[in-house]
Parts: sequence; C-alpha cells; structure tokens
Amino acid sequence: KNQVEQSPQSLIILEGKNCTLQCNYTVSPFSNLRWYKQDTGRGPVSLTIMTFSENTKSNGRYTATLDADTKQSSLHITASQLSDSASYICVVTRGEGGYNKLIFGAGTRLAVHP
Amino acid sequence: DAGVIQSPRHEVTEMGQEVTLRCKPISGHDYLFWYRQTMMRGLELLIYFNNNVPIDDSGMPEDRFSAKMPNASFSTLKIQPSEPRDSAVYFCASSPTGLNNSPLHFGNGTRLTVT
Repeated sequence: KNQVEQSPQSLIILEGKNCTLQCNYTVSPFSNLRWYKQDTGRGPVSLTIMTFSENTKSNGRYTATLDADTKQSSLHITASQLSDSASYICVVTRGEGGYNKLIFGAGTRLAVHP
Repeated sequence: DAGVIQSPRHEVTEMGQEVTLRCKPISGHDYLFWYRQTMMRGLELLIYFNNNVPIDDSGMPEDRFSAKMPNASFSTLKIQPSEPRDSAVYFCASSPTGLNNSPLHFGNGTRLTVT
C-alpha cells in the first residue's frame, strides 16, 4: 500500500534550537520526494524536491535528506525561529507510466517557543 | 507574480445550497489541481487539469462535485447540493510542467463551512 508516515505528530522546541522531522514511505514506483511548509490559514509552500539520486538538498536553514534504499527522509531545521512554527508535510510522488500522483503525509506540527 | 488566487477565502452556507469556489492559476502554468484538506484525511486530490482539459477526476467524491476550466486563467469547483460533510479547506494549485520535478504552487485556500 502506498503510504507516507511522518513523525513526530507534533513537536515543541525553543527558539534557536535545531530539530529533525522524519518521513518514511512505502510508495512505489518512486518519482520524487517533497517537503512543504504550511502556515496556519495558508496554503502549503514548497521547501525542497529531491529525486532518487539526490541525498541532500538545502533551502536556507532547511536541509532535507533522502535515503532511497531505506525509503526514509528527514527535514532538519537549524537555528529555529518563531516563524518556523507551522505544519511540515512530506509528499512522495508516485510515477505510473507518465502519470504522477502525490501521496501526502499527515504532517508534523512544529511550535517554536521564545 | 501574485501567485495562485482563490476566492472566496471563507464561505459559510446552509446544507442544500450551491457553492462555487474560484481559482486563478499562475500565468503560464499548464497544470491546475483542486485539493481538499481536512483534519481527518489530510490533503486529497479531487481533480486536475492539463491545458484546461480534465485529466483525472477520480478523487471527486460524488456527482455533487463538478469542476470546470473554461480558459487557462480560471477554474471553478462547484458543489451542488452542499452537505455538512463537505466542510473543509479547498486548495487550488498550479504547476508549470506537472508533477515530474516542478513544485506545486498552492493558493491560500477557501474554508468552506456547511451548516
């Protein structure tokens, strides 16, 4: 079954600290993996997209990793800021002979406290 | 670029009424997607268009839902008649080249409440 599971479900950290969010998937065939940030009351915003051959990709203080062998990804946030408080959604693109479909995780809700 | 524009931002209606949600994609994007987000089910694809043509509507819950894209700069999602279980946030998203390796650009959604 094609699934994307994220952990933890929610997380509270202090401003300035680092954190790592996890994503495990069973999607096949795999096309790419995306991380989105969704602020409350807003639409998701793309952070990174990684293909099978990419192990790591950064976007400012956000660094995503991908292990295609173990089907795991992580999103590391460095020196967190209050504005990092949001839901982070892991999305895996399933490729089916030219037709791609996004499989969404349930998200990790991150709260950064001062 | 103003991004993907959705209207209205909030809609409250009574059960049985018709609801129309609107979306203006980013200019030049050939793909347009409608998603629904709820606490229980997360983000779900309802339908997507390529060059104004519906490609996959298998996510549309039932015949009460319909979507159109009369031109490259406008799409609507209509629910008729609406039911309380349709309450959710509906997102429109666009992409220049589909889902290969280009990001989806989401609008800020329409929060629908059906009483």
